[in-house]
Amino acid sequence: QVHLQESGPGLVKPSQTLSLSCNFSSVSISTDVSYWTWIRQPPGKGLEWIGYISDNRVTYYNPSLTSRVSISLDTSRNQFSLEVTSVSAADTAFYFCSRYSGGSFDFWGPGMLVTVSS
Amino acid sequence: EIVLTQSPDFQSVPPKEKVTITCRASQNIGLSLHWYQQKPGQSPNLLIKFASRTISGVPSRFSGSGSGTVFTLTITSLEPEDAATYYCHQSTGLPHTFGQGTKVEVK
Repeated sequence: QVHLQESGPGLVKPSQTLSLSCNFSSVSISTDVSYWTWIRQPPGKGLEWIGYISDNRVTYYNPSLTSRVSISLDTSRNQFSLEVTSVSAADTAFYFCSRYSGGSFDFWGPGMLVTVSS
Repeated sequence: EIVLTQSPDFQSVPPKEKVTITCRASQNIGLSLHWYQQKPGQSPNLLIKFASRTISGVPSRFSGSGSGTVFTLTITSLEPEDAATYYCHQSTGLPHTFGQGTKVEVK
C-alpha cells in the first residue's frame, strides 16, 4: 500500500506558475520501477496524463504540455513536485498525484482543486 | 497519440442487472488496457489491469475482457455502491491516454 497526498496553493493567477507537491509513503522493495505521476481533471471532465518521473529521475511529459511542465523528485523527503508555467483558465483542474507501476496507476492521492483566476 | 473511445457515455441500470462498457482503441494496444472507477469527489481506483487481471480487494462482480482494439468491462450484478464513472486507460504508448468516461447510474 502506498499513500499519496497533494499539497500547494488552491488559487493561482493567470500567467503565473502553478506549483504542487506530493508526499508519498515509503515504498516496499519491488521488482517494478515506480513512476511518480501527475494527472489532472478539469471539473466535470475526463482525465489527462501530465507526466511522470521515474525512480532514477527520468522524466516523460505529455507533448501537449511539455513546454510548460516540469516534474522533480526528492527521495530523501519522499516527495515529488509539479510546476506548470504560464497558466491560464484552461489549467483549472483537480490535480492528482499517482504511482505508475507494473503497467497501471495503482495508487492515487485524493486530489486537489487548483483554480486559475485573478 | 492513441485515442480511446468508450461507449456508452451514460447508462442507467437497475440493481442486480448486468452492465457492459466498451472501450475501443485507435490502434492495436495488445492487452495494455486498464479500467478505473471514480466515485463523485474521489480519485480514480484501479479495477482491472491488462484487460482482464483482477486487483486484490475489488469485488468479483467486476471483470474485463478483450485484446487489440476492443475491450469490455462487465459488472455482472450492479450494486448501489457501483454508481460511478468508469474510465479505460492505455499504457502501450506515450502519452498515456484515457477514455472519455462512462457514467453509470443505479436506478
